[in-house]
Amino acid sequence: DQQVKQNSPSLSVQEGRISILNCDYTNSMFDYFLWYKKYPAEGPTFLISISSIKDKNEDGRFTVFLNKSAKHLSLHIVPSQPGDSAVYFCAASDFSYDKVIFGPGTSLSVIP
Amino acid sequence: DAGVIQSPRHEVTEMGQEVTLRCKPISGHNSLFWYRQTMMRGLELLIYFNNNVPIDDSGMPEDRFSAKMPNASFSTLKIQPSEPRDSAVYFCASSLEGIGSTGELFFGEGSRLTVL
Repeated sequence: DQQVKQNSPSLSVQEGRISILNCDYTNSMFDYFLWYKKYPAEGPTFLISISSIKDKNEDGRFTVFLNKSAKHLSLHIVPSQPGDSAVYFCAASDFSYDKVIFGPGTSLSVIP
Repeated sequence: DAGVIQSPRHEVTEMGQEVTLRCKPISGHNSLFWYRQTMMRGLELLIYFNNNVPIDDSGMPEDRFSAKMPNASFSTLKIQPSEPRDSAVYFCASSLEGIGSTGELFFGEGSRLTVL
């Protein structure tokens, strides 16, 4: 039973356009959410996070939106660049339990 | 600063053999995590330690898997005996837990295991 779901295994976007990656979770105890980016043959690296007390967090071209009532979050990348092509993992944690659960990932391809 | 260091980067072994994967976390981090990445399931949490103590090993698939953290700077994940379905990339990650931490995990480059 996956607690963090990313229903789109892959996504293709034209350079310069917006990329929107979606994530759903089932555990209402999760209160902290993170996005990680992974290039081939490398470990995942932290991209951006959001606490459950917020509904939006922005860092440069990357914005994460959280809809707690829908148990849904999304990552927006604007404008998309070819270097953004990677696998993006959504992750969630319950700080009282300290462990981080990852979704299966979405492979983003940004086409020049 | 050195990141999380994993070894070996690649391991090819035959079914039935023992496999030991190693991890050196970032100095000062107090939590260590072992994840397994497969095409079907993405990144699965196998086990995590806090202050060298195993906190949750519910993700360890079978008794063939074991993990230890004898000190703050070293952890091992052992598979004995190994089976072809264990083939995956195994990641170690560390973090600094506690008040003021961001919860960010720092990952190693992974150990790609192939069991023939």
